[in-house]
Amino acid sequence: DAKTTQPNSMESNEEEPVHLPCNHSTISGTDYIHWYRQLPSQGPEYVIHGLTSNVNNRMASLAIAEDRKSSTLILHRATLRDAAVYYCITGYSTLTFGKGTMLLVSP
Amino acid sequence: EPEVTQTPSHQVTQMGQEVILRCVPISNHLYFYWYRQILGQKVEFLVSFYNNEISEKSEIFDDQFSVERPDGSNFTLKIRSTKLEDSAMYFCASSLLAGGDYGENIQYFGAGTRLSVL
Repeated sequence: DAKTTQPNSMESNEEEPVHLPCNHSTISGTDYIHWYRQLPSQGPEYVIHGLTSNVNNRMASLAIAEDRKSSTLILHRATLRDAAVYYCITGYSTLTFGKGTMLLVSP
Repeated sequence: EPEVTQTPSHQVTQMGQEVILRCVPISNHLYFYWYRQILGQKVEFLVSFYNNEISEKSEIFDDQFSVERPDGSNFTLKIRSTKLEDSAMYFCASSLLAGGDYGENIQYFGAGTRLSVL
């Protein structure tokens, strides 16, 4: 089973920031933290990943706790297109998907 | 932007028939994967493939499944004798690197093939 814990769903308004939390208390020292998302009727899509330091890319930011037992995916300005299931995945080889967090974005 | 392509988008077959799902990974990628997602359920790992060999497989990937890279561009999943419970979305993915020594693994997924077994 997945080694991460995420809320089942979250809601946001368009153009507001969204913080999606993830707990991964059993993460090992060499495991990366990956975030993927799955838009309706599409395949999973890579969002961002990190190891220890916070990371930014064009899609999102990833804030990693100092003890690495939790992380937060930050969407700085949610759009309707960001409505998806967001998966937090730890490990280094195969991706083990959990149920993820369904993000609902309202206009 | 390079992408993983899968064909067909929808495959309908009769129980007991063989099906082949096809994927064209991103051209310079070295690692290939198949996942499936039964309607309303989680995405599940089936198999990973590198250097013309299976590198890892799940319990789901039993003897009725096989994978092949028949040429330099295609990656296929064959289901030998389909069952009703094989009905699902099948996703192909590829990555340039793998985990382990490289420490990271970014996988790029195709849009999937919906397999309907009647």
